[in-house]
Amino acid sequence: DTAVSQTPKYLVTQMGNDKSIKCEQNLGHDTMYWYKQDSKKFLKIMFSYNNKELIINETVPNRFSPKSPDKAHLNLHINSLELGDSAVYFCASSQAYGRGGTDTQYFGPGTRLTVL
Amino acid sequence: GENVEQHPSTLSVQEGDSAVIKCTYSDSASNYFPWYKQELGKGPQLIIDIRSNVGEKKDQRIAVTLNKTAKHFSLHITETQPEDSAVYFCAASIRGAGTASKLTFGTGTRLQVTL
Repeated sequence: DTAVSQTPKYLVTQMGNDKSIKCEQNLGHDTMYWYKQDSKKFLKIMFSYNNKELIINETVPNRFSPKSPDKAHLNLHINSLELGDSAVYFCASSQAYGRGGTDTQYFGPGTRLTVL
Repeated sequence: GENVEQHPSTLSVQEGDSAVIKCTYSDSASNYFPWYKQELGKGPQLIIDIRSNVGEKKDQRIAVTLNKTAKHFSLHITETQPEDSAVYFCAASIRGAGTASKLTFGTGTRLQVTL
C-alpha cells in the first residue's frame, strides 16, 4: 500500500532517556514533516525537510533533532526526554505545488510517546 | 505568523442533520485551506480542500465555502452519519510559496453524530 508509515506506534520511556521515531513514505514526495499533537489535540508543525534539506524549523528545543537519510525517510531523535514531551508525533509528506504536486499533506498514523 | 481559530470545539448532531464548522484566519496571504478528519487513534486524513480563487467546493455530502474578504471558511456536512463522528481540523497555508507548505491548524472540532 502507498502510505506514510511510522514506527513505533507506541513508545513508553523514562525521563532522561534518548529515543527515536522513524518515518517512511512511498508516495514519491520530496517534502516531509514532523508535527506534535498535544493532549488537547492541538497540531503544531515542528520541522520540514525537502530532499534531505531542513527548510522549516519551528521553535523546538534542540533536544529534538530530525534526520533525513534520503527523501523517503525522516526520523526524529529526542535526547533527554522530559515529561512535557509526552504527545502524539505525526509524520507527513507532500509534493510541492510548483514541482508537479498539490501541496496536500498526507499524514502517518502517529507515534504516541509517553514519558514517565 | 498565521493564526487560525476554529468553532465550535464540540458539536453534537442527530443522524441525518447537517453540521457546520467555522474557521477564521489572520494572514491575508494564505491561499490554501484544507480540512482534515481525525478518527480515534489515527492520523489526520484530508477530506476536502479549497484554494483562494474558489468560493465554494463540494464533494458529495461535504462542502467548503471561503470568504476571502472576511477571512472565513467553513465546512458543511449534510445528511450526517455515525461514521462522520471524529475530530475535524481546518488549516491554512500559503500554497506554492516554496517546497514546503507550512500548515497552521485550527484547534479542532469534535463532532458526534447520535442515532
